[in-house]
Amino acid sequence: NAGVTQTPKFRVLKTGQSMTLLCAQDMNHEYMYWYRQDPGMGLRLIHYSVGEGTTAKGEVPDGYNVSRLKKQNFLLGLESAAPSQTSVYFCASSPDSASQPQHFGDGTRLSIL
Amino acid sequence: GQNIDQPTEMTATEGAIVQINCTYQTSGFNGLFWYQQHAGEAPTFLSYNVLDGLEEKGRFSSFLSRSKGYSYLLLKELQMKDSASYLCAVHDSNYQLIWGAGTKLIIKP
Repeated sequence: NAGVTQTPKFRVLKTGQSMTLLCAQDMNHEYMYWYRQDPGMGLRLIHYSVGEGTTAKGEVPDGYNVSRLKKQNFLLGLESAAPSQTSVYFCASSPDSASQPQHFGDGTRLSIL
Repeated sequence: GQNIDQPTEMTATEGAIVQINCTYQTSGFNGLFWYQQHAGEAPTFLSYNVLDGLEEKGRFSSFLSRSKGYSYLLLKELQMKDSASYLCAVHDSNYQLIWGAGTKLIIKP
C-alpha cells in the first residue's frame, strides 16, 4: 500500500530558482493538503484542495502555487525560491468527511541557499 | 487569533504513564486529533475526539473537555518506541486543522 507518495525527498535550490513538488495518493481521497513544518512551530497549511480541479489558500500561501488536475495528484510550485521557504513540506490527503484523519506523505526536505 | 498550546518537551520512564496536555482557543470546534511523529518521519494518526469524555485505544487514551478547551493524551506502559513528538490539532469552524507545535516525549530506560 503506497498511500501518499511525495517526490523528491530532498532538494537544495538556489535563491530565485523554481521547482515543483509532487504528491500522489492512491486512496481515492477527495481532499488533499500541502503543509510546511518548521522547528518550534505547528504544521502550517499552505494550500488545499477539496476535489479535482479545485484549490484554495491556506494560512501561508504567499510564494506558492498549486494545481490538482487529476484527483490523485496535488502539485506544489515555488516560482522563485527564497531562503524563508527552507522547510520540510508534507502532503496529506483525507476522505470527504471532516472526522476522518489526514494521511501524510514522508515529506520533502527543501533547502534554499 | 487561533492558538493551541502544548508543552514543548516531556521526559518519562519506560513502563510508566505519561499525560500530554493540550489547550486550544479556536474559532469554532469540530473535533480534535492527536498524531504521533517520530523524528524525520510523517505524522501518523492516533486518536480523534469530538464529544466530551475519554476515548481508549490500547495503551493510548485521549480525553476531551470542550467547555474547558482542553484535551490530554495518556500513554500507559511506556516503551522506548514511544519516544516521538505528539501533535494536537483542532478542526475549526471552517474544518481547517489548526496544529499545535507538538510535545517531544523522551523515554528513559
